[in-house]
Amino acid sequence: DIQMTQSPSSLSASVGDRVTITCRPSQTISTYLNWYQQKPGKAPNLLIYGASSLQSGVPSRFSGSGSGTDFTLTISSLQPEDFATYYCQQSYSSPPTFGQGTKLEIK
Amino acid sequence: QVQLVESGGGVVQPGTSLRLSCAASGFTFNSYGMHWVRQAPGKGLEWVAMIWFDGRNKYYSDSVKGRFTISRDNSKNTLYLQMNGLRAQDTAVYYCASDGSGSFDDPAYYFDFWGQGTLVAVSS
Repeated sequence: DIQMTQSPSSLSASVGDRVTITCRPSQTISTYLNWYQQKPGKAPNLLIYGASSLQSGVPSRFSGSGSGTDFTLTISSLQPEDFATYYCQQSYSSPPTFGQGTKLEIK
Repeated sequence: QVQLVESGGGVVQPGTSLRLSCAASGFTFNSYGMHWVRQAPGKGLEWVAMIWFDGRNKYYSDSVKGRFTISRDNSKNTLYLQMNGLRAQDTAVYYCASDGSGSFDDPAYYFDFWGQGTLVAVSS
């Protein structure tokens, strides 16, 4: 199975900050990388698929980049509703696997 | 709009069985692959199983293979997960999710719409 490692595991930031979360798979996955946002008590929500494609309805302040073994999720200007946990997930090979999550908290 | 509603969770003893359901609406259910993904309390996400749009192919994680069975009834727009031989480590919120591929395509193995989840607690 492909192991997904996110960094950092937690992050404190302020409204208006630019934030970057990194995801590194244990082997190359081309651009088969997806990002989800999860708020407490809620289901995950797809933000980015195919490393850089923005899911319909997701604000443009979210962006994704990368390929191979190095990926990033960037939030250009944090809004109050963005404080949540973020997960990366590879869809290159079965079983699909997730990172351990990055908890984004208010500073 | 797309709606996925899970049901069937509860508190059960180890070794027993449970069947989860996921009622779908707002899209052409019979055109898309479907998945079950679970999340243990306070933990991350774990893919459990998937089924092709026509039920022809089914795949499972190693942790549930041989104990869980995924199925679907396209006439009822409903996805199922039959869970047998439940263990304490199966305790989790179980989500159904639609596959992100186009209709009738091979699965893409990412998850574009999710239900609200149903809690399964396995405890003696």
